[in-house]
Amino acid sequence: GAVVSQHPSRVICKSGTSVKIECRSLDFQATTMFWYRQFPKQSLMLMATSNEGSKATYEQGVEKDKFLINHASLTLSTLTVTSAHPEDSSFYICSARVSGAESNEKLFFGSGTQLSVL
Amino acid sequence: GENVEQHPSTLSVQEGDSAVIKCTYSDSASNYFPWYKQELGKRPQLIIDIRSNVGEKKDQRIAVTLNKTAKHFSLHITETQPEDSAVYFCAASRNSGYALNFGKGTSLLVTP
Repeated sequence: GAVVSQHPSRVICKSGTSVKIECRSLDFQATTMFWYRQFPKQSLMLMATSNEGSKATYEQGVEKDKFLINHASLTLSTLTVTSAHPEDSSFYICSARVSGAESNEKLFFGSGTQLSVL
Repeated sequence: GENVEQHPSTLSVQEGDSAVIKCTYSDSASNYFPWYKQELGKRPQLIIDIRSNVGEKKDQRIAVTLNKTAKHFSLHITETQPEDSAVYFCAASRNSGYALNFGKGTSLLVTP
């Protein structure tokens, strides 16, 4: 099956620093990637939709200046958490849809990044 | 936007029994309904999915039913095993361009 690689898997940082998370589709092209955030024992909440070559679309309540998303190629999307604070500590997970797919049947998840902000 | 409700939030069954998890959705345009199994700290794993033109789908011990009129769908696990213990999420979405909207999850515990 299709593989989505997400790095790092775990990161601990100091409050005020920035953290970049990468999401790569290894064996397929992904025009669209989604970024989710999952707090402990809660559901996956959509943060933003990332389309290659264009600006990301953010969900209501998600600060676009704090969570910078770049999707410069068909195989890579990055999420940068700027000036991280303890309340940003969460499990961040990306998902990538195979280019040309008509539905989310061709949607694959990364392995997730556990961010801990001290 | 789409709102997916999932029940129960926790479910405990004995090994060998069946488990049923139910979800409802609000967007009548949703046409794809996957179910994911997630273990702690891991990515969600697709276990079964169904499209709106199908009423039921089965894969070994797992089955999903969809009632499009009532806008609800259910996951059925038969002959449960301890390794089925995990958090299960239902989701719904429209066609391409739309993200999956997840339910709040069901923590399933199968006791030997």
